Amino acid sequence: EAGVTQFPSHSVIEKGQTVTLRCDPISGHDNLYWYRRVMGKEIKFLLHFVKESKQDESGMPNNRFLAERTGGTYSTLKVQPAELEDSGVYFCASSQGTALIYEQYFGPGTRLTVT
Amino acid sequence: GEDVEQSLFLSVREGDSSVINCTYTDSSSTYLYWYKQEPGAGLQLLTYIFSNMDMKQDQRLTVLLNKKDKHLSLRIADTQTGDSAIYFCAESSSSASKIIFGSGTRLSIRP
Repeated sequence: EAGVTQFPSHSVIEKGQTVTLRCDPISGHDNLYWYRRVMGKEIKFLLHFVKESKQDESGMPNNRFLAERTGGTYSTLKVQPAELEDSGVYFCASSQGTALIYEQYFGPGTRLTVT
Repeated sequence: GEDVEQSLFLSVREGDSSVINCTYTDSSSTYLYWYKQEPGAGLQLLTYIFSNMDMKQDQRLTVLLNKKDKHLSLRIADTQTGDSAIYFCAESSSSASKIIFGSGTRLSIRP
């Protein structure tokens, strides 16, 4: 069974440009989460989808970030326009049900570098 | 708000035991976790413990929880070079789906 996949693995863009990150969860997982680790600090929660609906987006830093999950399968996270402080590693995770929330499976992450 | 703290670095000799410590602030934490991240890889759930438990052992791993002091530790017995990684302490409550992570402890093994 394939795990959580993320694309691209690494993206380098200039300040002011737009970047779209993609996450494909494990097949059948209704729950999808985005996290990010900035400057080697703690990994911070961004948002949580249940199918195509945003269940909790309390961690989204500002309106430059837009997450979508049309059709309830894969998800995209768009940063527009990117700023220097957006550099970091963006992780996606998925789980089958929130009752067993320790079962969040993480992808390898996308390393975003904004120059 | 919720906060998880852990030291940034730990260096141990191969074959010795490694102990990584963590403190958290959320008294409503229900689940506490240890994740491992190897270079170039994603986060791997190593082990978890429910807040009503004091200890959990799984092969070379021992997790100790002191709920009164909000202190969690991970002991790796007979540390091997393959244990080199960043270890993240994390917690979540039953009322929230998000996981709160610490900054990670980089474990390095010396011969």
